[in-house]
Amino acid sequence: EVVLTQSPGTVSLSPGERATLSCRASQSVSSNYFGWYQQKPGQAPRLLIYGASSRATGIPDRFSGSGSGTDFSLTISRLEPEDFVMYYCQHYGGSITFGQGTRLEIK
Amino acid sequence: QVQLVQSGGEVRSPGASVKVSCKASGYSFISYGINWVRQAPGQGLEWMGWISVYNDNTNIAQKFQGRVTMTADRSTNTVDMELGSLTSDDAAVYYCARGSHWPPINFDYWGQGTLVTVSS
Repeated sequence: EVVLTQSPGTVSLSPGERATLSCRASQSVSSNYFGWYQQKPGQAPRLLIYGASSRATGIPDRFSGSGSGTDFSLTISRLEPEDFVMYYCQHYGGSITFGQGTRLEIK
Repeated sequence: QVQLVQSGGEVRSPGASVKVSCKASGYSFISYGINWVRQAPGQGLEWMGWISVYNDNTNIAQKFQGRVTMTADRSTNTVDMELGSLTSDDAAVYYCARGSHWPPINFDYWGQGTLVTVSS
């Protein structure tokens, strides 16, 4: 089973800054089956990025995804106050695995 | 609009079973799969498995094999997930999520979550 490791565990930034969240897979994986989710407190997760780099419907263009092989990134170009929540990467390779999450907090 | 509406919170004793329902509306039910994801208090997301609403095929995470049953009712647009032999480790919020028919990716709509409490 592929293990996804997200880093850092917590990132502290200010509104307006750029955030780059990383997710490393324990082995090379297909970009087609790689995604990112955002979760606000008390809510269900929301799909942000699928296929490693495609934005889901209704997702602002300040969110972008990139990567291939074992290294993937989620970039938020200009942080808005509502972006300071949890983010999870996800991959399907026979089964679905999630990373442990990165918390984005206000500095 | 697409909606997934889950059944209400449940309290069970250790060793018991729990069934959580997920009723879909606003889209072609058989064109997508339904996944189940759980989240223990303060913890991350854990995928439990997937069911094809089209043909009832399932893909259950190894950790839950033998303990989870997923069924789909195309007449009511409802998917049920039953988890047996509950322990305190199963206390969590359980989510259903719509995904691609196959493979089970792109969880684009989620239910509101169902809190399952396991307590003696």
